Amino acid sequence: EAQVTQNPRYLITVTGKKLTVTCSQNMNHEYMSWYRQDPGLGLRQIYYSMNVEVTDKGDVPEGYKVSRKEKRNFPLILESPSPNQTSLYFCASSLYLAGDSRQYFGPGTRLTVT
Amino acid sequence: QKEVEQNSGPLSVPEGAIASLNCTYSDRGSQSFFWYRQYSGKSPELIMFIYSNGDKEDGRFTAQLNKASQYVSLLIRDSQPSDSATYLCAVEGGQGFSFIFGKGTRLLVKP
Repeated sequence: EAQVTQNPRYLITVTGKKLTVTCSQNMNHEYMSWYRQDPGLGLRQIYYSMNVEVTDKGDVPEGYKVSRKEKRNFPLILESPSPNQTSLYFCASSLYLAGDSRQYFGPGTRLTVT
Repeated sequence: QKEVEQNSGPLSVPEGAIASLNCTYSDRGSQSFFWYRQYSGKSPELIMFIYSNGDKEDGRFTAQLNKASQYVSLLIRDSQPSDSATYLCAVEGGQGFSFIFGKGTRLLVKP
C-alpha cells in the first residue's frame, strides 16, 4: 500500500530534550515536506526536500532541523524543544513530475512539550 | 507575505444541496492549486487539484480557477453528511517546493 508513515504518533516531552520524528514514504517520491498545524494558524510549511541531501526552509523553520540521507526518509529534529513547538506535525511527499505537485500526507504526530 | 484566504465558516448546507467553498490568494505567480479535505484529528486528504483557468470536474467535485481574479473555488454537488469536514485550499508558490495553505473552511452538511 502506497503510504507516508510517521513515528511516533503521539509524543509528550519536556523542554530541552532532543527528539526526532521520523517520516518514511514508499512511493519513490522525490519531494518531501514537513508541516505544523496549529488552531487559528492553519498548516504551515517548516522544511522541504527536493532530493537526497537537498533541503530548504519553509515559512517556519526556526527551532527545527531536517536531513535527507535516503530518498524514502525525511526525519524532523527538534534539538531543544520548547512549549511553543507543541503542535500537530504532518509529513508529506510528492512525485513532483512534469509539474504534478500533489502532496500525500502522513497520519500526523501530535507533540506536546511541557 | 504570501497569503491564502478562506472563510472559516461553518458553512452549513442541507443534504443534497450544492456546497460552494471559496479561496483567494495573493501571489500572482502561483501555478498550482489544491483542495484538501481534513476530518477532525486526521491528516489532509487531496480531493482536487487544478492548474489551468476554468473548471475541472471529478465526480461530485468541481474546482474552478480564475487566475486574473486570483480566486479558486470548490463546488460539492449532492452534499452528504460524510462531506462534513474542514476544507483546506493550498497554493503552490513560485519558488522551490513551497506551499501556502489557507486556514480552512468548516463545512457542515445537515441530514
